[in-house]
Amino acid sequence: QQQVKQSPQSLIVQKGGIPIINCAYENTAFDYFPWYQQFPGKGPALLIAIRPDVSEKKEGRFTISFNKSAKQFSLHIMDSQPGDSATYFCAASGNRGSTLGRLYFGRGTQLTVWP
Amino acid sequence: NAGVTQTPKFRVLKTGQSMTLLCAQDMNHEYMYWYRQDPGMGLRLIHYSVGEGTTAKGEVPDGYNVSRLKKQNFLLGLESAAPSQTSVYFCASSNTQENTEAFFGQGTRLTVV
Repeated sequence: QQQVKQSPQSLIVQKGGIPIINCAYENTAFDYFPWYQQFPGKGPALLIAIRPDVSEKKEGRFTISFNKSAKQFSLHIMDSQPGDSATYFCAASGNRGSTLGRLYFGRGTQLTVWP
Repeated sequence: NAGVTQTPKFRVLKTGQSMTLLCAQDMNHEYMYWYRQDPGMGLRLIHYSVGEGTTAKGEVPDGYNVSRLKKQNFLLGLESAAPSQTSVYFCASSNTQENTEAFFGQGTRLTVV
């Protein structure tokens, strides 16, 4: 059972476009939602994260939008660049039970930004 | 500061062979994790540890064992390798229960033939 559902599986945009990656969850114990970025041959690295007490968080060209009532969150990449081409994973962890101390990952989105 | 180091980086095993993957972290983190990454499946948690001497099962623990005898090391063992265990394995560590930032190693690419 996939705890965090991510879409699309792959995404191709032109340089300067705004790719959007969406994730959804059901477990109300989740209270921390990070995004990880992975380049080929490397391990994932934390990109940006949000908690449910805010609806949006921006760091540079990366923005997370969070909809608590819909249990959905998304990553937007403004003015995308070829160097943003990577695989992006959304994830969730929580504050109780089986969610404590564990990160649940989506299946990933392979983003390609054409020059 | 090396962060999280995995050894080996590549390995080819024959079905039925055993091996141990080593993960070492130098950040004094309490929490350590082993994930496997397969195409289209994302990162799936195999086993994890919330401190020295502790281990717990993740989503896909069958066929694997782990040990955390020292805080800085987390070992993943395959007792009898199967082709279904062909994957890229990632170790990660974190210093908080809420995983506010998990640091990943470079991965181990394992092929079982």
